[in-house]
Amino acid sequence: GIQVEQSPPDLILQEGANSTLRCNFSDSVNNLQWFHQNPWGQLINLFYIPSGTKQNGRLSATTVATERYSLLYISSSQTTDSGVYFCAGMEYGNKLVFGAGTILRVKS
Amino acid sequence: DAGVTQSPTHLIKTRGQHVTLRCSPISGHKSVSWYQQVLGQGPQFIFQYYEKEERGRGNFPDRFSARQFPNYSSELNVNALLLGDSALYLCATSPGGQGGETQYFGPGTRLLVL
Repeated sequence: GIQVEQSPPDLILQEGANSTLRCNFSDSVNNLQWFHQNPWGQLINLFYIPSGTKQNGRLSATTVATERYSLLYISSSQTTDSGVYFCAGMEYGNKLVFGAGTILRVKS
Repeated sequence: DAGVTQSPTHLIKTRGQHVTLRCSPISGHKSVSWYQQVLGQGPQFIFQYYEKEERGRGNFPDRFSARQFPNYSSELNVNALLLGDSALYLCATSPGGQGGETQYFGPGTRLLVL
């Protein structure tokens, strides 16, 4: 099965700073998603991005499927961006394989 | 439209007991998957159901079972609870079951086994 690795494991930012989170996956995936898990445990969809680049406000994501990695960019970070960011690849059917996550703390 | 809903939100059980968790999908979604997330880790796949049939099963013991109803809602059952079953249980739904679709997650059920 596919394996998903995320880096860095922890990140502390000052409000207003930019950051890049990375996700490497072991085999080609037909579905790569980024999620933000808030302090209450809710997983919020950020991007469905098997390839290419997408942007949504201050967030953007790029997946290079041929090189098996995806990047999540957060610009002008805010305290509300704090939480855990997961990437997940789809293995078969609808089975998502998650990375261990990046814990982001944005300080005011 | 309402999002994915799960009940109960929190649950405390003792070892050896049985628990049933429930999930209602987004209207029009026919696929339901269950995940277990222990503290400090990413969610782990338990089951996928589509059109009331099991389509996938993760590496979990037979104490874990699930089913899907004609209205596409789903139940996850765990028998003979162990301390290690304490976790956040998440349900995810999508329109179809063939993969390649965005998965939408519910708020989860926090289970504590004492």
